[in-house]
Amino acid sequence: EVQLVDSGGGLVQPGGSLRLSCAASGFTFSSYSMNWVRQAPGKGLEWVSYISGSSGTIYYADSVKGRFTISRDNAKNSLYLQMNSLRDEDTAVYYCARDPTTFGIVQYYFDFWGQGTLVTVSS
Amino acid sequence: SYDLTQPPSVSVSPGQTARITCSGDALPNQYVYWYQQKPGQAPVLVIYKDSERPSGIPERFSGSSSGTTVTLTISGVQAEDEADYYCQSADSSRTFLWVFGGGTKLTVL
Repeated sequence: EVQLVDSGGGLVQPGGSLRLSCAASGFTFSSYSMNWVRQAPGKGLEWVSYISGSSGTIYYADSVKGRFTISRDNAKNSLYLQMNSLRDEDTAVYYCARDPTTFGIVQYYFDFWGQGTLVTVSS
Repeated sequence: SYDLTQPPSVSVSPGQTARITCSGDALPNQYVYWYQQKPGQAPVLVIYKDSERPSGIPERFSGSSSGTTVTLTISGVQAEDEADYYCQSADSSRTFLWVFGGGTKLTVL
């Protein structure tokens, strides 16, 4: 059974930093591209970042480029999001989400999601 | 910019058919994916590649595409289908970007 468990959220002051983690199980983690998607309170979904299975390809939404860093440790079956220079508008539930990568080809959607972890940026 | 437009809300009575649309100029060239999200829960994929249904998703969920509009159809709506529904596509033409529609609140009357 595919499982994604998000953790690391919390309350942080504007300008601060936080590192999110996503623990994966039930599939060959290194074979799949992964993403972070967020949802501000009462708002819709927003894609944040993408990383390929080998970490060779990475993309960011313009809203987080230069402040957030996505990474993964395939030996630990884990995905990370390092968030620096946090702003009020980064307040959201952050979900890790798997791309159903097939034979190394990215599919551009999300077939499994973590339960989410809440990040609150406030003074 | 790459935008996907959904109606904010759709209401139907139990047993009726709900149709939720997603419109975007680039949709004739891109697949659309649909997610169901219930309060306090993570999204769940209900339709992929415009009209394919993942295993475990009831047959009453279907998808179709026509030009710049893609439609999620829920036939014989049940109370448990009340949720927010989001369409999603991807723009690889200029810079890779995964885009969501604004979401549609389905209310079962």
